[in-house]
Amino acid sequence: NAGVTQTPKFQVLKTGQSMTLQCAQDMNHNSMYWYRQDPGMGLRLIYYSASEGTTDKGEVPNGYNVSRLNKREFSLRLESAAPSQTSVYFCASSSLTGGVPSNQPQHFGDGTRLSIL
Amino acid sequence: GENVEQHPSTLSVQEGDSAVIKCTYSDSASNYFPWYKQELGKGPQLIIDIRSNVGEKKDQRIAVTLNKTAKHFSLHITETQPEDSAVYFCAAFTPFSGGYNKLIFGAGTRLAVHP
Repeated sequence: NAGVTQTPKFQVLKTGQSMTLQCAQDMNHNSMYWYRQDPGMGLRLIYYSASEGTTDKGEVPNGYNVSRLNKREFSLRLESAAPSQTSVYFCASSSLTGGVPSNQPQHFGDGTRLSIL
Repeated sequence: GENVEQHPSTLSVQEGDSAVIKCTYSDSASNYFPWYKQELGKGPQLIIDIRSNVGEKKDQRIAVTLNKTAKHFSLHITETQPEDSAVYFCAAFTPFSGGYNKLIFGAGTRLAVHP
């Protein structure tokens, strides 16, 4: 069972470069999320997609864009990478209740470790 | 704003001892509290969760308690084993925008179980 798959696992970028982080889930979940994890700060929500065709900002959306390509896939794009975006990025998915993602367990991928020089 | 505080940040125990991690949350509207275990190089894995209409939940060596009045919840691991060594995160669902409840995470507890 693959669950949530993220690619790539590691990436090093130079300041100003762009890249897209990919995420796919095979659990038929409606909702998908992107988080970043920084030392001593837990996980912070960047963007989420409650269902296919919708995306919304989380706590820390600046400098990022997302695309919900289909029900399975949700990508995160850095248009012009900055050193402050050095972090570990996690994608997660969950099922939907009452039309909004709430109170359902979120399942995480193993992360993309991104360094920006 | 809403936040979740988690203590301690590090915890070292001998194999067989119990470990307790405590979290407090600020938003009284929070109603779902999952706990995640994160091993090195891996993503967070859900190990147990509790909803606000329940005071305690147990799953083998792991238990979670919730005190809604005091707005705190705790993870209890009994008979710890070396494979329990990991970083543990608590989280609370809290209302966000558009009717969406978002997960707010604690900063994590690094648990080390020594043989």
